[in-house]
Amino acid sequence: EVQLVESGGGLVKPGSSLKLSCVASGFTFSSYGMHWIRQAPKKGLEWIALIYYDSSNKYYADSVKGRFTISRDNSKNTLYLEMNSLRSEDTAMYYCAKGTEGARWGQGVMVTVSS
Amino acid sequence: DIQMTQSPPSLSASLGDKVTITCQASQNINKYIAWYQQKPGKAPRLLIRYTSTLESGTPSRFSGSGSGRDYSFSISNVESEDIASYYCLQYVNLWTFGGGTKLELK
Repeated sequence: EVQLVESGGGLVKPGSSLKLSCVASGFTFSSYGMHWIRQAPKKGLEWIALIYYDSSNKYYADSVKGRFTISRDNSKNTLYLEMNSLRSEDTAMYYCAKGTEGARWGQGVMVTVSS
Repeated sequence: DIQMTQSPPSLSASLGDKVTITCQASQNINKYIAWYQQKPGKAPRLLIRYTSTLESGTPSRFSGSGSGRDYSFSISNVESEDIASYYCLQYVNLWTFGGGTKLELK
């Protein structure tokens, strides 16, 4: 069974950093591009980053470009999102998703940025 | 960047109704649109990919159609378990979600 499990969220102050992880199982992780998506409380879905299966290409939404870094370790079946210079508007549930159309998503991890 | 305009933002339906949600892309997306269902407190679930291909486990009362810039998603015979929010996603060039549609019972 395909599973994606995010972790690393929490309550942090503005300007601080946080690193999210997404551990994959049940499929050949190294064969798939992976995405991060977020959803602010009571708001819609916002795509924020994509990494190719081999890390050869990475793309970001303008809202996080220069502050967030997507990476992966195929030997550990793990996707990462390093978030720096966090702002209150980054408060959201963060999801990882597998593949071209997001066939599977994790359960999400909450990030709250507040003083 | 491709923008996705989804309408309506909310929809009220009775059990057994047919409802339709539309998404218009800011440019031709060549049928690379997917539709998701999200229930409160849950992750989104992919229902339809490539305009009209149902995912395994998606009931046949769900359908999608369209081409070019204009796409639609329908639920025929709405059931209580369909009460949720629905999102379109273009994936021809990175990802862009529509604003979402909240389906409620009348």
